Amino acid sequence: QKEVEQNSGPLSVPEGAIASLNCTYSDRGSQSFFWYRQYSGKSPELIMSIYSNGDKEDGRFTAQLNKASQYVSLLIRDSQPSDSATYLCAAKASGGSYIPTFGRGTSLIVHP
Amino acid sequence: SAVISQKPSRDICQRGTSLTIQCQVDSQVTMMFWYRQQPGQSLTLIATANQGSEATYESGFVIDKFPISRPNLTFSTLTVSNMSPEDSSIYLCSVGSPKATSGGTDTQYFGPGTRLTVL
Repeated sequence: QKEVEQNSGPLSVPEGAIASLNCTYSDRGSQSFFWYRQYSGKSPELIMSIYSNGDKEDGRFTAQLNKASQYVSLLIRDSQPSDSATYLCAAKASGGSYIPTFGRGTSLIVHP
Repeated sequence: SAVISQKPSRDICQRGTSLTIQCQVDSQVTMMFWYRQQPGQSLTLIATANQGSEATYESGFVIDKFPISRPNLTFSTLTVSNMSPEDSSIYLCSVGSPKATSGGTDTQYFGPGTRLTVL
């Protein structure tokens, strides 16, 4: 069974710090990885995708992928209170299906 | 990315009744999905809505309880039938976006959701 594991948190960081969110996946066939941000009462919003080993940076966000360790992470630099949300990790195998496997999400709280 | 709308945004229903949720996309998409997200939980895929054929349901979900229609490539409905309080949840429509040009990847985008409360 394909699984994506995340620590549910909450992860609490001070404003301006780096928030590090981690995710592991069980399916070695996974090729595409996604991070979604979900504010309370809202739907998930795609913020990063990564499919090659290494780092991918987009503004304050950096996604890191290590396929050998089956590990994905999301770093948020200069964390702001507006980053407080639940972050969902998702992994998807290659092929025509668009159905990823989602983790339970990590709640991030950025306090002033 | 596709723009997805859902109706209604929220509803409060009596047990034993049914509610139909509509999902409209601003462009033609091959894959449409229906998810459920219960309070504090992650996303659970209910079914894949296939245009021109029956929906494909995930384990634990059946057509009699969650009938789905997909009349064209931009629209789908999910009905929650014979509701009970356990059906109280957020229901999300999602679409799959095909791979972009080289370097892109196929992704999923979500509608705003329908918050259902069953009394």
